[in-house]
Amino acid sequence: DIQMTQSPSSLSASVGDRVTITCRASQTISSYLNWYQQKPGKAPKVLIYAASSLQSGVPSRFSGSGSGEDFTLTITSLQPEDFGTYYCQQSYRTPLTFGGGTKVEIK
Amino acid sequence: AQLVESGGGLVQPGGSLRLSCEASGFTFSDHYMDWVRQAPGKGLEWIGRTRNRANSYTTMYAASVKGRFTISRDDSKDSMYLQMNSLRPEDTAVYYCARLERDGSSYYWYFDLWGRGTLVTVSS
Repeated sequence: DIQMTQSPSSLSASVGDRVTITCRASQTISSYLNWYQQKPGKAPKVLIYAASSLQSGVPSRFSGSGSGEDFTLTITSLQPEDFGTYYCQQSYRTPLTFGGGTKVEIK
Repeated sequence: AQLVESGGGLVQPGGSLRLSCEASGFTFSDHYMDWVRQAPGKGLEWIGRTRNRANSYTTMYAASVKGRFTISRDDSKDSMYLQMNSLRPEDTAVYYCARLERDGSSYYWYFDLWGRGTLVTVSS
């Protein structure tokens, strides 16, 4: 199975900050990488698919980059509503696997 | 478009449970559908998939549930099912159904629609 490792596991940042979350795959996955946001008690919501494509309706402050094994999710100007846990997920091969999550808190 | 799971509850170890996922607002029969679960306070775990009719409704499973769980679908009812047998305490989780979408004609698949989940608790 492809292991997905996210870092950091948690972070606290202020409104307006630039936030970066990284995700590393245990083997190359090309650009088969998706990012999701999950708020407490809610289902995940896709933000980025195919490593860098912004899902329709998602604010442009979210962006994704990377290919191969290393990927990044960036929030250019953190907003109060961006709290929650962020997960990366590889769709290169089944079993699909998720990173362990990054919990984002607003200072 | 909406997905609604049902059927969760408390079950004893070794018991069985059948979850349902009812779709509305889109052409269910066109889509691959997956189950994903989340243990309390933990991350997301993919459980398995049912492909669509064009792909012979084939299924695939995670190793952790293979041989115990069975995924099926009934396109006439816009529904997918998860039959869970030989349940273990470690199967305790919120179970989500999720729709797979593809970017154009590429092989870039992602989950673009999720249900709210149904909680399964395995405990004596």
